[in-house]
Amino acid sequence: DTEVTQTPKHLVMGMTNKKSLKCEQHMGHRAMYWYKQKAKKPPELMFVYSYEKLSINESVPSRFSPECPNSSLLNLHLHALQPEDSALYLCASSQGTRTGERGNEQFFGPGTRLTVL
Amino acid sequence: AQSVTQLGSHVSVSEGALVLLRCNYSSSVPPYLFWYVQYPNQGLQLLLKYTSAATLVKGINGFEAEFKKSETSFHLTKPSAHMSDAAEYFCAVIMAGSARQLTFGSGTQLTVLP
Repeated sequence: DTEVTQTPKHLVMGMTNKKSLKCEQHMGHRAMYWYKQKAKKPPELMFVYSYEKLSINESVPSRFSPECPNSSLLNLHLHALQPEDSALYLCASSQGTRTGERGNEQFFGPGTRLTVL
Repeated sequence: AQSVTQLGSHVSVSEGALVLLRCNYSSSVPPYLFWYVQYPNQGLQLLLKYTSAATLVKGINGFEAEFKKSETSFHLTKPSAHMSDAAEYFCAVIMAGSARQLTFGSGTQLTVLP
């Protein structure tokens, strides 16, 4: 299984709602990532989890709250979002975060298209 | 600091023509380099990667890229474009010794004309 899955595919929420995005991989990867991508732009890194611990937070507002319940699952909890948070949210995974040539590529999921009204 | 530059935000080619998408990196130490493709409303798919084993790297869908240290380039080519190649292409870099953070170029939108 070389797939990263994300649910839901589309999400529309109001600014007072609480929702969650889910990401799953069964490749045995120990690093997982959340990216935000606006239209016609490259993905921007939000969070990195390494061995189920948060290792990088790219100064993301607290209305985005990541969670890694186990090595296969990554969630992104959303609360009190703004319309400018509307974007494609991508999850990715890689074998690990140690240096070395093997397994350093990231595999991406299909993304969740989020619209905040 | 590492960065990656993609020359040309839009490239148009005719079906059957050569595809050339340009990528240059700035680093004194050769990094790990990647090309990703993104079709509309989809995630990113890895086309190929350079990890210092061979300078000419072959990827999926007939794409290949050549690492040229002297030019700090990693251009993506395909001999004959297909309509299905129309997509956004991102060059990306990971510096050796980093926490495997990908730095993306700004992307090149490839249009294939019939």
